Amino acid sequence: QVQLVQSGAEVKKPGASVKVSCKASGYTFTGYYMHWVRQAPGQGLEWMGRINPNSGGTNYAQKFQGRVTMTRDTSISTAYMELSRLRSDDTAVYYCARDLVAAGQLNWFDPWGQGTLVTVSS
Amino acid sequence: QSALTQPASVSGSPGQSITISCTGTSSDVGGYNYVSWYQQHPGKAPKLMIYEVSNRPSGVPDRFSGSKSGNTASLTISGLQAEDEADYYCSSYTSSSTLVVFGGGTKLTVL
Repeated sequence: QVQLVQSGAEVKKPGASVKVSCKASGYTFTGYYMHWVRQAPGQGLEWMGRINPNSGGTNYAQKFQGRVTMTRDTSISTAYMELSRLRSDDTAVYYCARDLVAAGQLNWFDPWGQGTLVTVSS
Repeated sequence: QSALTQPASVSGSPGQSITISCTGTSSDVGGYNYVSWYQQHPGKAPKLMIYEVSNRPSGVPDRFSGSKSGNTASLTISGLQAEDEADYYCSSYTSSSTLVVFGGGTKLTVL
């Protein structure tokens, strides 16, 4: 079955960077866009960007331009999201989510990873 | 402030029907049939319930349905069950550089 397994919780100091991984299984990794969505405590969902695992091409939400980098390693079917210059308001659960449709850019997310809590605190 | 507007909360009794609205603009909800809906139980990852305005992924009960009129999309849950109690989020493609916007979420309480 299709599954996305993310790396474990992280605690970072303000100004640091964090890199979250998302290992895919059960499908052809290069065939589907991968998205990253975050959720601050008690808040709603926020789309951060996406990566085409086949080409490595990315699209980032304007809010995160210059601070976020999405990459992938096709040899191990894993996508990565790195966020730099962390602030306290970056404290959130970060999810990876696969696009529903192969080779599509329709931005429907299914399935989702289990989430990774990133805490930014001095 | 979220780009799409949802009511903060809705409630209903078991067996009843409820509808959650999601209002955007002609640059997102009104301009494209790329609206999706997600269900999120506490402490869990979201789950896709509706895509392309009104399509259900395999495994989603047909009690869940979606529609759109103008700049407002709607999720209707009929025959409410206790397990439907959750947060629900709408999402849409947007022609802005951000590409994807979410609603602020609606907490459904089954009385």
